Amino acid sequence: EIVMTQSPATLSVSPGERATLSCRASRSVSSNLAWYQQKPGQPPRLLIYGASTRATGIPGRFSGSGSGTDFTLTISSLQSEDFAVYYCQQYNSWPPITFGQGTRLEIK
Amino acid sequence: EVELLESGGDFAQPGGSLRLSCAASGFTFSSYAMTWVRQAPGKGLVWVSTISGSGSSTFYADSVKGRFTISRDNSKNLLYLQMNSLRAEDTAVYHCAGHSCSDGICPMDYWGQGTLVTVSS
Repeated sequence: EIVMTQSPATLSVSPGERATLSCRASRSVSSNLAWYQQKPGQPPRLLIYGASTRATGIPGRFSGSGSGTDFTLTISSLQSEDFAVYYCQQYNSWPPITFGQGTRLEIK
Repeated sequence: EVELLESGGDFAQPGGSLRLSCAASGFTFSSYAMTWVRQAPGKGLVWVSTISGSGSSTFYADSVKGRFTISRDNSKNLLYLQMNSLRAEDTAVYHCAGHSCSDGICPMDYWGQGTLVTVSS
């Protein structure tokens, strides 16, 4: 099983600033890595797939990078609607499909 | 517009059974692998089970293997999760999700709102 580890668990950032979230895989997942955003009471929403490709309708302030075991989600110029929990997920080697434990992005 | 609508969540006693359904619309259902993901209250996302677009391949998390059965009816655009021998630790919101490919080796593009399963005596 590939273990996905996200850091930090909680990130406090001011609106308008940049947020950088990390995700590490216990072994290579190539570029088969997705990022999801989840707001309270809502289902997850796909943001990024293939480690760096934005899903349909996702604003350009969201960007993903990395390959192999280390990945980053960057949100430039945070908007109020961006404060949420973010999950990474690998789909390279499964079962099982595995998610990171999540990073909570909160307003500073 | 794509829509995934889960139903069937309820209270159940330990050892009991429930059947969840997910009604899909707005996309070619049979071309999409489908997955159940659960989320315990205040916790993260946990994969439960995946079925290929044709229904010929199924996969389960170790924690539910032998107790849960995933299936689909492509003629009715319906996904199911039969849950037997329920345990307290199965308590969660269960989301159905659609992969943008038939074999599941791709992300989950579409998600339903979820249905709550509570297992308690």
